[in-house]
Amino acid sequence: DAGVIQSPRHEVTEMGQEVTLRCKPISGHDYLFWYRQTMMRGLELLIYFNNNVPIDDSGMPEDRFSAKMPNASFSTLKIQPSEPRDSAVYFCASKTVLLGTQYFGPGTRLLVL
Amino acid sequence: KQEVTQIPAALSVPEGENLVLNCSFTDSAIYNLQWFRQDPGKGLTSLLLIQSSQREQTSGRLNASLDKSSGRSTLYIAASQPGDSATYLCAVMDLGGGSEKLVFGKGMKLTVNP
Repeated sequence: DAGVIQSPRHEVTEMGQEVTLRCKPISGHDYLFWYRQTMMRGLELLIYFNNNVPIDDSGMPEDRFSAKMPNASFSTLKIQPSEPRDSAVYFCASKTVLLGTQYFGPGTRLLVL
Repeated sequence: KQEVTQIPAALSVPEGENLVLNCSFTDSAIYNLQWFRQDPGKGLTSLLLIQSSQREQTSGRLNASLDKSSGRSTLYIAASQPGDSATYLCAVMDLGGGSEKLVFGKGMKLTVNP
């Protein structure tokens, strides 16, 4: 298996623009997680899905952030409009209920100017 | 609210030393505790997972222990090598509610010098 795939790997955009991050989980995994990592706050859970259904979105910072999982093999995290304080590395992770650990993608490094 | 702390934030040691990395958490009602490794520019890789009913887990040169009552875990690295240089993160999953949420510490950056 190729592991968790994220795209793009790097994104530079200007304040006010829409940003869409994409994630393909490991085949057969039924949980998908979106995290944000910054120097100040560390790694924070934004939202997670189980069987394509959002379970906990309490970490989503505000209405500018939205996440979808239209099917078992694809998820998006959208920021609209983007702000400089959204600059961070965004990770996607997946797991199966049979395993305790989460498998992380390589991350998307977002810079909002 | 669960909080996970890792001190120190960074550590630099010569090759060959045996290391102890510390992790503390505020709420002892946890389901499990995990140690991850993060290389620069990469995602996290799981090293060890300890269920709340376990006291320790071992994998190769790594040994992780868990003391729920005191809210502490340690990751022991034997005979450190330059390839062990990375950031090590500790994370706990709280018990109850069926939540899969992990709460992470901010990590400890380890540098092993040849």
